[in-house]
Amino acid sequence: AQSVTQPDIHITVSEGASLELRCNYSYGATPYLFWYVQSPGQGLQLLLKYFSGDTLVQGIKGFEAEFKRSQSSFNLRKPSVHWSDAAEYFCAVGTEYGNKLVFGAGTILRVKS
Amino acid sequence: EAGVTQSPTHLIKTRGQQATLRCSPISGHTSVYWYQQALGLGLQFLLWYDEGEERNRGNFPPRFSGRQFPNYSSELNVNALELEDSALYLCASNTGLAGSAGELFFGEGSRLTVL
Repeated sequence: AQSVTQPDIHITVSEGASLELRCNYSYGATPYLFWYVQSPGQGLQLLLKYFSGDTLVQGIKGFEAEFKRSQSSFNLRKPSVHWSDAAEYFCAVGTEYGNKLVFGAGTILRVKS
Repeated sequence: EAGVTQSPTHLIKTRGQQATLRCSPISGHTSVYWYQQALGLGLQFLLWYDEGEERNRGNFPPRFSGRQFPNYSSELNVNALELEDSALYLCASNTGLAGSAGELFFGEGSRLTVL
């Protein structure tokens, strides 16, 4: 069965600083990996996804993530955080057809000015 | 293009009552997914409907049920409400079995409070 671990419940970074959110997954086959963002009172929005190919994927809002099979990780990064990035971020793993995505517990990002 | 719409936005019920939540997918999407986001428990998969059929079900008791209509909209019903059913219920949609591979488009959710 798939599982996702996001080790950090809360992260606080200064505006303009770099960001890395950690995600580790467990899945027997090649995973389909996703990062979603949820702003307060909103639904989830897809930031980026990895299916195959280049292990460094680019997403919206200046985010990128790197798939490392040897570490079972799919960490999310952004070189310079903006105050509007404050939100909750969810990593998810899916099967070939993507149904029944399994989500991590989420990481709440706070941005201080 | 209209996104996934959910109603009602907020719903307050008492223990033992029934709640019905509704979801309209993005036009052209045939699959609808329901997730429960309870405080401290993250997002838990509830149900997946595609082309009117239930395709997969999460680890929830039978009092959580739903259906998908011919226009692909969906209802989630929760019977015999319990306090721990209080949560944000998120609906998502995509184009179905092939090709969409997990790219879910979420609505803003229905907040159910059970008193």
